[in-house]
Amino acid sequence: DVQLVESGGGLVKPGGSLRLSCAASGFTFLDYTIHWVRQAPGKGLEWVSSISSSSNYRKYADSLKDRFTISRDNTKKSVYLEMNSLRTEDTAVYYCVREAWNYPHWYFDLWGRGTQVTVSS
Amino acid sequence: DIQMTQSPASLSASVGDSVTISCRASQNIGTSLSWFHQKPGTSPNLLVYSTSNLQSGVPSRFRGSGSGTDFTLTISSLQPEDFATYFCQQSYKSPWTFGQGTKVEIK
Repeated sequence: DVQLVESGGGLVKPGGSLRLSCAASGFTFLDYTIHWVRQAPGKGLEWVSSISSSSNYRKYADSLKDRFTISRDNTKKSVYLEMNSLRTEDTAVYYCVREAWNYPHWYFDLWGRGTQVTVSS
Repeated sequence: DIQMTQSPASLSASVGDSVTISCRASQNIGTSLSWFHQKPGTSPNLLVYSTSNLQSGVPSRFRGSGSGTDFTLTISSLQPEDFATYFCQQSYKSPWTFGQGTKVEIK
């Protein structure tokens, strides 16, 4: 099956760290830029970060780039999100998302089921 | 950042009704717009990309239109599985941004 599966979420205290993982299967992982998008409880969707297929281009939401780091391992078909200095407002479901390209547009065509991150004392 | 504003925030409709959801961008985004729907406890699902292209497997009762700053998603003949929250999203310029969502509820 073509899918993305997130893991690594959990309960962490403010100031703590977590490393999320996203494992891909069923498609040529090397061909795709991968994103992280989050959704706080009862809220809308917020783009977090992205990494290009060869890791040459990494982007972050301005409010997060000093605390979050995205990486990937193409041999393991996985993308990672290292999150440090976590705050209560980082509480959300974190989705791993595949970026598709159909000239001349990019779009999000495949989403994982998400992993819950809860930051609370 | 490009702000995406959806209207209405929620609507009530019956099975068989036609509904329209609007999405406005704070600047010209051409046709770089997607629509998703999401049911409680599940991840978003792509319906339409590049303003009007239906994703594979999406029923033809979904139709996207617009360009520039104003876009619409029309669902003709609502089906029970269509009651969900709908989001628009621009991919014209990073950071990619989403509308706040429109909840379609059963009347």
